[in-house]
Amino acid sequence: RKEVEQDPGPFNVPEGATVAFNCTYSNSASQSFFWYRQDCRKEPKLLMSVYSSGNEDGRFTAQLNRASQYISLLIRDSKLSDSATYLCVVSKHSGGGADGLTFGKGTHLIIQP
Amino acid sequence: DTGVSQDPRHKITKRGQNVTFRCDPISEHNRLYWYRQTLGQGPEFLTYFQNEAQLEKSRLLSDRFSAERPKGSFSTLEIQRTEQGDSAMYLCASSLPPGRGDYGYTFGSGTRLTVV
Repeated sequence: RKEVEQDPGPFNVPEGATVAFNCTYSNSASQSFFWYRQDCRKEPKLLMSVYSSGNEDGRFTAQLNRASQYISLLIRDSKLSDSATYLCVVSKHSGGGADGLTFGKGTHLIIQP
Repeated sequence: DTGVSQDPRHKITKRGQNVTFRCDPISEHNRLYWYRQTLGQGPEFLTYFQNEAQLEKSRLLSDRFSAERPKGSFSTLEIQRTEQGDSAMYLCASSLPPGRGDYGYTFGSGTRLTVV
Protein backbone atom coordinates (compact mmCIF):
# COMPACT_ATOMS: atom_id res chain seq x y z
CA ARG A 1 0.00 0.00 0.00
CA LYS A 2 1.34 3.39 -0.98
CA GLU A 3 1.96 5.88 1.80
CA VAL A 4 -0.39 8.48 0.34
CA GLU A 5 -3.09 7.53 -2.11
CA GLN A 6 -5.27 9.77 -4.22
CA ASP A 7 -7.68 9.26 -7.08
CA PRO A 8 -5.72 10.68 -10.04
CA GLY A 9 -8.90 11.78 -11.84
CA PRO A 10 -9.31 13.76 -13.95
CA PHE A 11 -12.30 15.33 -12.31
CA ASN A 12 -14.21 17.34 -14.91
CA VAL A 13 -16.42 19.84 -13.13
CA PRO A 14 -18.55 22.70 -14.47
CA GLU A 15 -17.65 26.18 -13.34
CA GLY A 16 -19.49 27.16 -10.19
CA ALA A 17 -19.94 23.61 -8.95
CA THR A 18 -18.64 22.18 -5.71
CA VAL A 19 -16.02 19.47 -5.92
CA ALA A 20 -14.47 17.31 -3.25
CA PHE A 21 -11.66 14.82 -3.27
CA ASN A 22 -10.08 12.62 -0.65
CA CYS A 23 -6.73 11.18 0.10
CA THR A 24 -5.78 8.30 2.39
CA TYR A 25 -2.50 7.78 4.18
CA SER A 26 -1.03 4.60 5.59
CA ASN A 27 1.24 5.81 8.38
CA SER A 28 -0.83 6.26 11.52
CA ALA A 29 2.08 8.16 13.09
CA SER A 30 1.69 10.97 10.57
CA GLN A 31 1.51 14.33 12.25
CA SER A 32 1.19 17.06 9.66
CA PHE A 33 -1.04 17.25 6.62
CA PHE A 34 -1.23 19.63 3.70
CA TRP A 35 -2.77 20.24 0.33
CA TYR A 36 -0.48 21.57 -2.38
CA ARG A 37 -1.53 22.82 -5.78
CA GLN A 38 0.56 22.20 -8.88
CA ASP A 39 -0.14 23.80 -12.24
CA CYS A 40 1.04 22.11 -15.42
CA ARG A 41 4.85 22.14 -15.67
CA LYS A 42 5.12 24.36 -12.59
CA GLU A 43 6.33 23.75 -9.06
CA PRO A 44 3.98 22.71 -6.24
CA LYS A 45 2.67 25.52 -4.07
CA LEU A 46 1.19 25.21 -0.60
CA LEU A 47 -2.58 25.60 -0.75
CA MET A 48 -3.40 25.01 2.89
CA SER A 49 -2.45 23.07 5.96
CA VAL A 50 -4.98 20.59 7.32
CA TYR A 51 -5.83 20.63 11.01
CA SER A 52 -7.68 18.09 13.09
CA SER A 53 -10.49 20.53 13.71
CA GLY A 54 -10.85 21.22 10.01
CA ASN A 55 -10.07 24.54 8.45
CA GLU A 56 -11.41 26.84 5.81
CA ASP A 57 -9.76 29.38 3.57
CA GLY A 58 -12.22 31.20 1.38
CA ARG A 59 -13.79 28.69 -1.00
CA PHE A 60 -11.51 25.88 0.21
CA THR A 61 -12.23 23.61 3.16
CA ALA A 62 -9.92 20.89 4.39
CA GLN A 63 -10.83 18.09 6.80
CA LEU A 64 -8.76 15.48 8.56
CA ASN A 65 -10.09 12.18 9.87
CA ARG A 66 -7.33 10.56 11.91
CA ALA A 67 -9.38 7.50 12.81
CA SER A 68 -9.93 6.63 9.18
CA GLN A 69 -6.65 8.15 8.03
CA TYR A 70 -8.05 10.31 5.32
CA ILE A 71 -7.90 13.94 4.33
CA SER A 72 -10.39 15.79 2.20
CA LEU A 73 -10.45 18.99 0.21
CA LEU A 74 -13.67 20.74 -0.75
CA ILE A 75 -13.77 23.53 -3.31
CA ARG A 76 -16.94 25.58 -3.49
CA ASP A 77 -18.04 27.81 -6.37
CA SER A 78 -15.22 26.47 -8.52
CA LYS A 79 -13.44 28.84 -10.89
CA LEU A 80 -11.67 28.15 -14.16
CA SER A 81 -8.45 29.12 -12.40
CA ASP A 82 -8.89 26.22 -9.97
CA SER A 83 -7.91 23.81 -12.75
CA ALA A 84 -4.73 22.18 -11.52
CA THR A 85 -3.38 19.07 -9.85
CA TYR A 86 -3.99 18.90 -6.12
CA LEU A 87 -1.37 17.04 -4.15
CA CYS A 88 -2.13 15.49 -0.78
CA VAL A 89 0.92 15.72 1.46
CA VAL A 90 1.75 14.05 4.76
CA SER A 91 4.62 14.36 7.19
CA LYS A 92 5.62 12.15 10.09
CA HIS A 93 6.66 15.15 12.09
CA SER A 94 4.75 18.01 13.57
CA GLY A 95 5.68 21.17 11.77
CA GLY A 96 6.21 19.25 8.57
CA GLY A 97 9.78 20.30 8.10
CA ALA A 98 11.90 17.51 9.50
CA ASP A 99 12.70 14.74 7.07
CA GLY A 100 10.70 15.66 4.08
CA LEU A 101 7.09 15.51 3.05
CA THR A 102 5.45 12.51 1.38
CA PHE A 103 3.36 13.47 -1.62
CA GLY A 104 0.49 11.65 -3.23
CA LYS A 105 0.40 11.40 -7.02
CA GLY A 106 -2.13 14.19 -7.18
CA THR A 107 -5.71 14.59 -8.33
CA HIS A 108 -6.14 16.36 -11.64
CA LEU A 109 -9.02 18.84 -11.64
CA ILE A 110 -10.44 20.44 -14.78
CA ILE A 111 -13.02 23.18 -14.40
CA GLN A 112 -15.10 23.54 -17.54
CA PRO A 113 -16.80 26.77 -18.61
CA ASP B 1 15.45 37.37 -2.72
CA THR B 2 11.83 36.53 -3.27
CA GLY B 3 11.95 32.80 -3.79
CA VAL B 4 13.89 29.64 -4.43
CA SER B 5 16.01 29.75 -7.57
CA GLN B 6 17.14 26.75 -9.54
CA ASP B 7 19.59 26.60 -12.38
CA PRO B 8 19.45 25.50 -15.12
CA ARG B 9 15.75 25.33 -15.94
CA HIS B 10 16.31 22.66 -18.54
CA LYS B 11 19.17 20.27 -19.18
CA ILE B 12 19.54 17.77 -21.99
CA THR B 13 22.45 15.41 -21.64
CA LYS B 14 23.72 12.24 -23.22
CA ARG B 15 23.58 9.03 -21.27
CA GLY B 16 26.75 8.54 -19.27
CA GLN B 17 27.50 12.23 -18.81
CA ASN B 18 27.61 13.96 -15.45
CA VAL B 19 25.27 16.84 -14.65
CA THR B 20 25.11 19.31 -11.78
CA PHE B 21 22.16 21.42 -10.70
CA ARG B 22 22.17 24.38 -8.38
CA CYS B 23 19.58 25.61 -5.90
CA ASP B 24 19.55 28.93 -4.08
CA PRO B 25 17.04 28.85 -1.22
CA ILE B 26 15.25 31.73 0.44
CA SER B 27 18.00 33.38 2.43
CA GLU B 28 16.50 33.02 5.91
CA HIS B 29 15.52 29.37 5.35
CA ASN B 30 18.04 27.01 6.90
CA ARG B 31 16.42 23.84 5.59
CA LEU B 32 16.82 22.77 1.99
CA TYR B 33 15.27 19.77 0.27
CA TRP B 34 15.70 18.00 -3.03
CA TYR B 35 12.83 16.15 -4.66
CA ARG B 36 12.42 14.36 -7.97
CA GLN B 37 9.17 14.29 -9.94
CA THR B 38 8.35 12.20 -12.98
CA LEU B 39 5.30 12.55 -15.20
CA GLY B 40 2.09 11.58 -13.45
CA GLN B 41 3.73 11.18 -10.07
CA GLY B 42 4.00 13.38 -7.04
CA PRO B 43 7.40 14.70 -5.96
CA GLU B 44 9.60 12.06 -4.30
CA PHE B 45 11.92 13.00 -1.46
CA LEU B 46 15.63 12.64 -2.19
CA THR B 47 17.52 14.39 0.60
CA TYR B 48 17.53 17.39 2.91
CA PHE B 49 19.95 19.69 4.66
CA GLN B 50 19.76 21.72 7.79
CA ASN B 51 22.35 24.42 7.29
CA GLU B 52 25.34 22.59 5.82
CA ALA B 53 24.53 19.21 7.37
CA GLN B 54 22.88 16.58 5.18
CA LEU B 55 20.49 14.96 7.63
CA GLU B 56 18.67 12.39 5.57
CA LYS B 57 18.99 10.64 2.23
CA SER B 58 16.28 8.61 0.55
CA ARG B 59 17.03 5.16 -0.79
CA LEU B 60 16.20 6.72 -4.16
CA LEU B 61 19.51 8.55 -3.93
CA SER B 62 21.83 5.98 -5.46
CA ASP B 63 25.60 6.15 -5.35
CA ARG B 64 25.55 8.13 -8.58
CA PHE B 65 23.81 11.00 -6.84
CA SER B 66 25.49 13.41 -4.48
CA ALA B 67 24.25 16.60 -2.91
CA GLU B 68 26.18 19.28 -1.08
CA ARG B 69 25.48 22.49 0.73
CA PRO B 70 28.98 23.58 1.66
CA LYS B 71 28.27 26.92 3.32
CA GLY B 72 24.71 26.34 4.38
CA SER B 73 23.39 28.56 1.63
CA PHE B 74 23.11 27.26 -1.96
CA SER B 75 23.10 23.55 -2.71
CA THR B 76 24.21 21.44 -5.64
CA LEU B 77 22.91 18.09 -6.80
CA GLU B 78 25.21 16.07 -9.03
CA ILE B 79 24.28 13.00 -11.01
CA GLN B 80 27.16 10.96 -12.36
CA ARG B 81 26.95 8.60 -15.34
CA THR B 82 23.40 9.64 -16.11
CA GLU B 83 20.88 7.02 -17.20
CA GLN B 84 17.64 7.47 -19.12
CA GLY B 85 15.73 6.67 -15.95
CA ASP B 86 17.18 9.81 -14.40
CA SER B 87 15.03 11.93 -16.71
CA ALA B 88 12.73 13.89 -14.42
CA MET B 89 12.04 17.27 -12.90
CA TYR B 90 14.39 17.93 -9.99
CA LEU B 91 12.77 20.23 -7.47
CA CYS B 92 14.45 22.11 -4.68
CA ALA B 93 12.54 23.50 -1.71
CA SER B 94 13.47 25.43 1.39
CA SER B 95 11.81 26.08 4.71
CA LEU B 96 12.28 27.34 8.23
CA PRO B 97 12.54 24.62 10.89
CA PRO B 98 9.39 23.65 12.80
CA GLY B 99 8.33 26.20 15.36
CA ARG B 100 9.90 29.08 13.49
CA GLY B 101 6.96 30.76 11.90
CA ASP B 102 5.64 29.54 8.61
CA TYR B 103 7.24 26.15 8.03
CA GLY B 104 5.62 25.61 4.67
CA TYR B 105 7.94 24.56 1.92
CA THR B 106 8.71 26.96 -0.91
CA PHE B 107 9.65 25.16 -4.08
CA GLY B 108 11.82 26.41 -6.89
CA SER B 109 10.71 26.13 -10.49
CA GLY B 110 12.74 22.97 -10.92
CA THR B 111 15.35 21.70 -13.32
CA ARG B 112 13.96 19.45 -16.04
CA LEU B 113 16.53 16.82 -16.97
CA THR B 114 16.29 14.83 -20.18
CA VAL B 115 18.80 12.05 -20.71
CA VAL B 116 19.06 10.95 -24.34
